[in-house]
Amino acid sequence: NAGVMQNPRHLVRRRGQEARLRCSPMKGHSHVYWYRQLPEEGLKFMVYLQKENIIDESGMPKERFSAEFPKEGPSILRIQQVVRGDSAAYFCASSRVTGDTEAFFGQGTRLTVV
Amino acid sequence: GESVGLHLPTLSVQEGDNSIINCAYSNSASDYFIWYKQESGKGPQFIIDIRSNMDKRQGQRVTVLLNKTVKHLSLQIAATQPGDSAVYFCAENQGKDMRFGAGTRLTVKP
Repeated sequence: NAGVMQNPRHLVRRRGQEARLRCSPMKGHSHVYWYRQLPEEGLKFMVYLQKENIIDESGMPKERFSAEFPKEGPSILRIQQVVRGDSAAYFCASSRVTGDTEAFFGQGTRLTVV
Repeated sequence: GESVGLHLPTLSVQEGDNSIINCAYSNSASDYFIWYKQESGKGPQFIIDIRSNMDKRQGQRVTVLLNKTVKHLSLQIAATQPGDSAVYFCAENQGKDMRFGAGTRLTVKP
């Protein structure tokens, strides 16, 4: 059973381009969480999704950021018109259910905006 | 509570000593808590969890203590080893999603 898979591991984008980050949850997991981490800082919650539903997006910036978790395929975190301040590590976690079970993390995507 | 742009506090211990890492959580309704370990360049790894109906849980070399009265969680690592050097986060499940504390960087001196 493969763990949470994120790709790409590293992504370089020029200012103004779009960044697409992918997360394939563990087999049997239908809950996906996205977090952002700046160097030497903690994990900041962005969005929580179930299949085809956004459950909580209270941590998402209001503009340029969107997330989806389609019925088939990975969850996608999309950042439009990237700016230097978007440079960070973006982690995805998945869980079987929410509330009382651990979430497993991927290795993250490190986005660098140049 | 949730980390919002805070730089990591640090804890430095001698190899072989015990380490205690503390965490304050925000929501008295949270009923499930997890400690994660994050090594440089990697994603967080599950260490140990505890539910709110318990006040102590032990694993291999690790113990988590939960004090619901003061909303405090601690992770104790016995006989700390160089491989324990990492950032440690507590996470609370608030019923619909998981929120992380600010984290503590543990450095083990040989």
